[in-house]
Amino acid sequence: NAGVTQTPKFRVLKTGQSMTLLCAQDMNHEYMYWYRQDPGMGLRLIHYSVGEGTTAKGEVPDGYNVSRLKKQNFLLGLESAAPSQTSVYFCASSYWGLAREQFFGPGTRLTVL
Amino acid sequence: AQTVTQSQPEMSVQEAETVTLSCTYDTSESDYYLFWYKQPPSRQMILVIRQEAYKQQNATENRFSVNFQKAAKSFSLKISDSQLGDAAMYFCAVTGNTPLVFGKGTRLSVIA
Repeated sequence: NAGVTQTPKFRVLKTGQSMTLLCAQDMNHEYMYWYRQDPGMGLRLIHYSVGEGTTAKGEVPDGYNVSRLKKQNFLLGLESAAPSQTSVYFCASSYWGLAREQFFGPGTRLTVL
Repeated sequence: AQTVTQSQPEMSVQEAETVTLSCTYDTSESDYYLFWYKQPPSRQMILVIRQEAYKQQNATENRFSVNFQKAAKSFSLKISDSQLGDAAMYFCAVTGNTPLVFGKGTRLSVIA
């Protein structure tokens, strides 16, 4: 039981490049989330999904897209990376309901030059 | 909209002593839940404790307990018998019918 995994763990991009972060969970959770963590800002929600095929915007969705084609996977895409997207990205998942405990992945450190 | 304020960016405590981390929140929802998460240097987010707002009894988990003051919208975390492994960032969070909102965190140092 791996829990929540994220791929890759580190990445360096140049401005304008695109990339996809992959989140996978093996706990059969319905809900999945993408956060970004910046120094002094805590965790801010980018997008989330309440089930396969659904997505919803969080607090800071601009510049990101997501897809949830399979229940166990939640992809975060950056179409044209900007230095402001330099951050640590966390994926999380939970059972049904926004009030349930969230289980987090180990994070991805992304640097955009 | 929900907001969470952690007014102490940094705290320190002597090993074996007790420390309290402050958190205040605001929400318009009548039914909501409060959490404390810990983030050690490994970066892994770990749930410390969870409190349902409709419960008057304060939640406890071993050395961790909360002081939940619903009217004051306060949700502080008390760590007793502090250990070196408690050194971490601690985040307070609130959720109800909308996704979890985190505070900016308190960095706790434990002095041997």
